[in-house]
Parts: sequence; structure tokens; C-alpha cells
Amino acid sequence: QVQLQQSGAELAKPGSSVKISCKASGYTFTSYYISWIKQTTGQGLEYIGYINTGSGGTNYNEKFKGKATLTVDKSSSTAFMQLSSLTPDDSAVYYCARWGWYFDYWGQGVMVTVSS
Amino acid sequence: DVVLTQTPSTLSATIGQSVSISCRSSQSLLDSAGNTYLYWYLQRPGQSPQLLIYLVSNLGSGVPNRFSGSGSGTDFTLKISGVEAEDLGVYYCMQATHAPWTFGGGTKLELK
Repeated sequence: QVQLQQSGAELAKPGSSVKISCKASGYTFTSYYISWIKQTTGQGLEYIGYINTGSGGTNYNEKFKGKATLTVDKSSSTAFMQLSSLTPDDSAVYYCARWGWYFDYWGQGVMVTVSS
Repeated sequence: DVVLTQTPSTLSATIGQSVSISCRSSQSLLDSAGNTYLYWYLQRPGQSPQLLIYLVSNLGSGVPNRFSGSGSGTDFTLKISGVEAEDLGVYYCMQATHAPWTFGGGTKLELK
């Protein structure tokens, strides 16, 4: 069955970076894009961007350009998102989701907490 | 950015009651090819969102047919015909017609 398994919770200091992963299984990895979505209590759900898992091409929400960097390792069917120059506003749950004209499968989410 | 406004923000229902959620867009979601990229998702407590409806009115895989979606242009509706206990959670509409893709603020469905 299709699964997106995300890495564990992160506690990071302001100004640092974190890299979270999303390992796909149960389907042909390169047949679907992987998107990333941020969820906070205050801002709700925000689309960050997607990566073409075949070509590595990316599309970002302008708001997250310079904040998020999306990459992929086809050999391990894993997508990654690096968040840089972290501030408390980056504290959130981050989801990866499979995109094939809709988000049909989601990871379990990764809680990122930014605190000194 | 396209703003999706969901009403109501909270909905109290009894089991078996039929309810509707509205999602209004600040711009038409009909693209130049005649497609409307409007979706509905349900997030149950402690879980990730899950797909209910895609392209306005198409039921996601495994989604019960008590859920239905309708609408066009800027006005869309999700209807649940006979709420069941497993339907409780927060419902979100989402659009992928205009960049950046955006979500509505959510409608929390709770038991009365």
C-alpha cells in the first residue's frame, strides 16, 4: 500500500537549519510529484511547493523561496525539505503529500519547534 | 493570492443530520482550459488531512457517497448527507488553479 513515512520531530535553535525527509513506498516514486504543506494553529494550512520526483524540478510558493529547499533522492524514493535561517515563525507541523492532480496520500507530519 | 473563505467556521450536528459547508473564492477557479481545481479535505483529530473531493465534485477513492461536492466559478459547497461519528474533524477546501495554491481556513464539524 502507498505510504509516505516522514522523519521525526525536530527541535532547532533560531538561525539554524533542519532537513526533514519523506520516504515513499508502495508505488512508482517518479510517477508522482511530492508537495510540502505547513500547518500552524494561526495560519492554518499553507502550500510550500512541490518537486518533480523524476526531473528534480521544483515549484515554490513565493512566500517560501529562500526558506525551503526541496530535493529528492530517487535511489531511496525519498524527498527532502530543508528549512533554513529558522525563526519561531517556522515552528509548525510539516506534511509531505503525493500530488497526482490532487493530494491523495499524506505523510504523518513532522513537528518542527524553533526555540532557544 | 487567492483567498478561500469557508463558512461556517464551526458546525454542530447530530448523527444523521445533513450539513453543508461553503467555500467562496476571491477569484474564479475556472482555468482557461475549462478545469476547476477545487478540492475538499478532512482532517480528523490527531491525523493528517485526507482527500474527500477532487475537481469540485469527484469522490476520492474509498470516500463514502454521503459526501458530495458542487459549485462553479467562485462558490463551492461540500454536503454531508447524514453525518456519522467518523465525520467529525476539520474540513478544508483548497484551490490549485492559481499559484500559489491556497487552503480555506477550515470548518470544524462537532457533535451537538
